Amino acid sequence: AQSVTQLDSQVPVFEEAPVELRCNYSSSVSVYLFWYVQYPNQGLQLLLKYLSGSTLVKGINGFEAEFNKSQTSFHLRKPSVHISDTAEYFCAVSPGYTGTASKLTFGTGTRLQVTL
Amino acid sequence: KAGVTQTPRYLIKTRGQQVTLSCSPISGHRSVSWYQQTPGQGLQFLFEYFSETQRNKGNFPGRFSGRQFSNSRSEMNVSTLELGDSALYLCASSPDPANNEQFFGPGTRLTVL
Repeated sequence: AQSVTQLDSQVPVFEEAPVELRCNYSSSVSVYLFWYVQYPNQGLQLLLKYLSGSTLVKGINGFEAEFNKSQTSFHLRKPSVHISDTAEYFCAVSPGYTGTASKLTFGTGTRLQVTL
Repeated sequence: KAGVTQTPRYLIKTRGQQVTLSCSPISGHRSVSWYQQTPGQGLQFLFEYFSETQRNKGNFPGRFSGRQFSNSRSEMNVSTLELGDSALYLCASSPDPANNEQFFGPGTRLTVL
């Protein structure tokens, strides 16, 4: 069984400031990790994913995340946010083997609110 | 290439009715998954279909069912609607189950009165 914890339900930040959205997971097997973004009245868009290899993963829109196996974390970061980054962000985990795309377990989401 | 499309986008039903939601995957994608999103429970996996067969099922009552057609389009049905079924229902597609990335549609917002 897997679980995902997003510790912050809301993160307010000023435009051009850096931001970190935290994600911790629990699993008895190896995992694949994902970050999705959801804009109002839209579906989920994949920001980035970690399957294997380098623990620092770069995604779209200037976001990156680092997989830390010892701390079971996959925090999302952006050095300078924009108003358009205001959205809900979901961390998700699936078992770390092929064919598990649908076995995603999602966190409860973090609302990133960027203001001027 | 067109993305995942879901119809209708919004739906209002009353308790006891049934509803059918439709999902058209990205062209060439043969795997379709459904998720329910509510403020209280978050995003929960409903089921996955591939080649017209249900591969995986989440922990939902039998009132929730689905199917997939030979053209990979999928439908999900909820019978005897309850107020708690009000949610955003998201469909996601991937080329096949071996692929570890899913592409989500915009969702169908179901309101049960």
